[in-house]
Amino acid sequence: DAGVIQSPRHEVTEMGQEVTLRCKPISGHDYLFWYRQTMMRGLELLIYFNNNVPIDDSGMPEDRFSAKMPNASFSTLKIQPSEPRDSAVYFCASTSGGTTDTQYFGPGTRLTVL
Amino acid sequence: QQPVQSPQAVILREGEDAVINCSSSKALYSVHWYRQKHGEAPVFLMILLKGGEQKGHEKISASFNEKKQQSSLYLTASQLSYSGTYFCGTLMNYGGSQGNLIFGKGTKLSVKP
Repeated sequence: DAGVIQSPRHEVTEMGQEVTLRCKPISGHDYLFWYRQTMMRGLELLIYFNNNVPIDDSGMPEDRFSAKMPNASFSTLKIQPSEPRDSAVYFCASTSGGTTDTQYFGPGTRLTVL
Repeated sequence: QQPVQSPQAVILREGEDAVINCSSSKALYSVHWYRQKHGEAPVFLMILLKGGEQKGHEKISASFNEKKQQSSLYLTASQLSYSGTYFCGTLMNYGGSQGNLIFGKGTKLSVKP
């Protein structure tokens, strides 16, 4: 299996621009998680989906962030408008066993907002 | 409530042992351990469930004290490849929504030759 695929791997944008991060989970996995990692706050869960349905989005920082999962093999995390404080590494992870099972992380997208 | 990990950092020589601790102020359903090397994604090490069930690598040892709401990861006879940042993730609830993993800030382990 190819593992969790994320794109782009690096994104540099200017404040105010829209940013879209993409994730393809491992085939057959019905849970998908979006995390953000910064030095200050560590690894934070933003939102997770089960069978394409958002289950908990309480970690989404504010209305500028939105996530969708239109089908079992694709999810997006959008930031509009982006701000410098959004600079972080964003990870997508998937699993087939719910939150009590192993999560397989993608390589991450390093976002820099200037 | 973010779990607290200790120590924040540890430096070892090859062959030495280390213990990384993870504690929570809330009752836990499970504790998950991951290792992340610099510039890479976190990689699963072990899950410890309430009631004693464990899932993970044979060479990794960990404990989960439900009463104390604590878990410890034991790294014995450390190798250079053990270097990285170790995260514990705690799950407080197991229910309809299954709850969310909350990760600690990590313990940076450096193994020197």
